[in-house]
Amino acid sequence: DAGVIQSPRHEVTEMGQEVTLRCKPISGHNSLFWYRQTMMRGLELLIYFNNNVPIDDSGMPEDRFSAKMPNASFSTLKIQPSEPRDSAVYFCASSRQGGQEKLFFGSGTQLSVL
Amino acid sequence: SQQGEEDPQALSIQEGENATMNCSYKTSINNLQWYRQNSGRGLVHLILIRSNEREKHSGRLRVTLDTSKKSSSLLITASRAADTASYFCATFPRGYSTLTFGKGTMLLVSP
Repeated sequence: DAGVIQSPRHEVTEMGQEVTLRCKPISGHNSLFWYRQTMMRGLELLIYFNNNVPIDDSGMPEDRFSAKMPNASFSTLKIQPSEPRDSAVYFCASSRQGGQEKLFFGSGTQLSVL
Repeated sequence: SQQGEEDPQALSIQEGENATMNCSYKTSINNLQWYRQNSGRGLVHLILIRSNEREKHSGRLRVTLDTSKKSSSLLITASRAADTASYFCATFPRGYSTLTFGKGTMLLVSP
């Protein structure tokens, strides 16, 4: 298995710009998670999809953040407009059965908003 | 606040020594998981222990779970420099559908 694939690996953008992060989960996994990691707040769950349907988006900070999962093999996290406080590492993870089984994480996207 | 809280925040030991990290949580859980994160990388799953289990082993790793105290510990025996990483506990609370992570313990193993 190729594992969870995220792109880009690094993203540097200016405040106000739109940012799109991409994720390809492991084939056969029906749960997908977007997490954000910062030194101050640790690892925060942003949104959780099950069978391509958003189940829990209570962690999405505000309307500037949106996530989609158009099919079982692709998801996007979009920030529009971006702000400096959005700077963080964003991880995508997938699993076979939500939190009942282990999560497989991608390598993350390091986002810097200047 | 975080469901799981690791202790200590940082731990520095010599190669060959054992490392023990603890995790406390607040509510009843279905399972508790431990993950490792090397610098600049994603998290890697180590062990999953279910609420009806008390101890699990995997190689040099030993995890215990005490549901009455709402706590877990991760023991790494005969540590190696390659074990240097951050270690996170994650809980799957009853009634929820997702994992909640603690802030982690940074382990430094010196040669």
